[in-house]
Amino acid sequence: KAGVTQTPRYLIKTRGQQVTLSCSPISGHRSVSWYQQTPGQGLQFLFEYFSETQRNKGNFPGRFSGRQFSNSRSEMNVSTLELGDSALYLCASSLTGDGYGYTFGSGTRLTVV
Amino acid sequence: GNSVTQMEGPVTLSEEAFLTINCTYTATGYPSLFWYVQYPGEGLQLLLKATKADDKGSNKGFEATYRKETTSFHLEKGSVQVSDSAVYFCALYSGSGSARQLTFGSGTQLTVLP
Repeated sequence: KAGVTQTPRYLIKTRGQQVTLSCSPISGHRSVSWYQQTPGQGLQFLFEYFSETQRNKGNFPGRFSGRQFSNSRSEMNVSTLELGDSALYLCASSLTGDGYGYTFGSGTRLTVV
Repeated sequence: GNSVTQMEGPVTLSEEAFLTINCTYTATGYPSLFWYVQYPGEGLQLLLKATKADDKGSNKGFEATYRKETTSFHLEKGSVQVSDSAVYFCALYSGSGSARQLTFGSGTQLTVLP
């Protein structure tokens, strides 16, 4: 079966712009989580969506937001980009979001210049 | 809150050497424990998991045992191969409230030389 698909794979944006990243989970998975990976901070949890509702949120500023559609696809948006937002953004899907079976996508590499 | 501490890298080994990557955790309740592997340019792949104390997770020759008494989940492999070169992440999941997330260690870069 198809894995978790993240688009685009690479993105270059300018400070102050906004960006939207997309994640298509494995068919049937209802939970989508987003993580930010940087060399300095490692892997940090952004938020989790389950059945179109945000179920949990990490410690990121309000510039980071997300949503989930009825087909479980999820988007995350970052407004007013800062240089420090440059990172690999990973999404993970799970059947129920209980931690037992997270499958990660290959990520979107965002570079802010 | 929950936290995971894992062995600082990088680790460089010769092919067929024995591998241990240490991982300890702090968590409330009874978390599930995981090892993920990340190859260059890719996302994370689940390597193995254990959901309760004394469980042993294993996959592709890698093993880790959930030790509640020492709050540890050390990764071991008896004979590493060049293809095992990657970054390894220890993680925990404690599924209640704001802890409903994977908490990762800082990662350990492993390089295996032929």
